[in-house]
Amino acid sequence: DIQMTQSPSSLSASVGDRVTITCRASQAIRDYLAWYQQKPGKAPQLLIYAASALQSGVPSRFSGSGSETDFTLTISSLQPEDVATYYCQKYHSGPTFGQGTKVEIK
Amino acid sequence: EVQLVESGGGLVQPGGSLRLSCAASGFTFSGYWMSWVRQAPGKGLEWVANIKQDGSEKNYVDSVKGRFTISRDNAKNSVYLQMNSLRVEDTAVFYCVRAVWFGELFDYWGQGIPVTVSS
Repeated sequence: DIQMTQSPSSLSASVGDRVTITCRASQAIRDYLAWYQQKPGKAPQLLIYAASALQSGVPSRFSGSGSETDFTLTISSLQPEDVATYYCQKYHSGPTFGQGTKVEIK
Repeated sequence: EVQLVESGGGLVQPGGSLRLSCAASGFTFSGYWMSWVRQAPGKGLEWVANIKQDGSEKNYVDSVKGRFTISRDNAKNSVYLQMNSLRVEDTAVFYCVRAVWFGELFDYWGQGIPVTVSS
């Protein structure tokens, strides 16, 4: 089975900072990679699919990149409403999530 | 507006059964795969099961195979999860999710329903 590993597990950054979260697949998955945002007490929401395609309605400060085994989610300018846990997920040959990255404001 | 509303959760003893329901609206239900995803308290997300548009294909995570059954009724715009032989480790919030890309990419989520397995 392909494992998805995110880093870091948590981070604290200031408003306006550029934030980067990494997701690594244990085997190549082309670009079958999605990112989700889960705000405290809420259901997850799809942010990005196909590694870099922005879901409709998602602010442009969110971006994704990568292919095969190494992927990144970038928030170009962190906002207070971005406090959440972010999950990567592969969606080929069985959906599998990363363990999550908790983002807080410093 | 896409809406997914779960019901049927609650407290059940180990070994017991529970049936979750999800009522969908705001889209052509029969045109989409549907999935269930769960989240144990303080933990991450885990895909549980999915079902094809016409119900002809169903897939499960290994840990629930033989115990959980996913089904759907397109006439009622509803998807179900029958959970038997429940274990303490099945305790989680269960999300009903609309899925694309062969049922594996999750574009709309319900608000979630808690299931607690405890004696």
